[in-house]
Amino acid sequence: ETGVTQSPTHLIKTRGQQVTLRCSSQSGHNTVSWYQQALGQGPQFIFQYYREEENGRGNFPPRFSGLQFPNYSSELNVNALELDDSALYLCASSYRQGNTEAFFGQGTRLTVV
Amino acid sequence: KNEVEQSPQNLTAQEGEFITINCSYSVGISALHWLQQHPGGGIVSLFMLSSGKKKHGRLIATINIQEKHSSLHITASHPRDSAVYICAVLYGGATNKLIFGTGTLLAVQP
Repeated sequence: ETGVTQSPTHLIKTRGQQVTLRCSSQSGHNTVSWYQQALGQGPQFIFQYYREEENGRGNFPPRFSGLQFPNYSSELNVNALELDDSALYLCASSYRQGNTEAFFGQGTRLTVV
Repeated sequence: KNEVEQSPQNLTAQEGEFITINCSYSVGISALHWLQQHPGGGIVSLFMLSSGKKKHGRLIATINIQEKHSSLHITASHPRDSAVYICAVLYGGATNKLIFGTGTLLAVQP
């Protein structure tokens, strides 16, 4: 049990729709990172939030956006869903200072049809 | 070429065997994670290390910063060790993001 929870666990959406995925960080962690893992691939960095501000972004288009709240929970929003957005979405929380360990949620499996 | 390379990609072992999974990386890092992922998703962090060696039970992880190489060893392997093992490097700078390898699929047969 990592203390990081994601919801929902599974989701099916239609191409063109919008989706919001949620992540509740481990207590005391002020940094959350989101990753996309396509089938058979390693996770790819989407973006990171630190104290409610975006703190780095991977190679993902602007229709991927996020929020971090004062309690450090986080959302990942994806607009205009495409078939290739089908993947496992993982969030990881950490305490930013120094080399700190990341704790992962169980992920949200998104299927776009 | 990926910044983080793992080998082998697939590994089948008999119960009790000693297993080694290798990870090489090409970027400057501040730490390296070994992670375990079971079918259906969730990732569990096994080790985070920035030098030397760590041991948890039957798992041992080593890292050589100069050679940019790490290994994960499993002693006395068991079918419950069957999973995907992923090496991820903590790429420093303003964003402490993880760069992942593609994973090693391990199947331990009884």
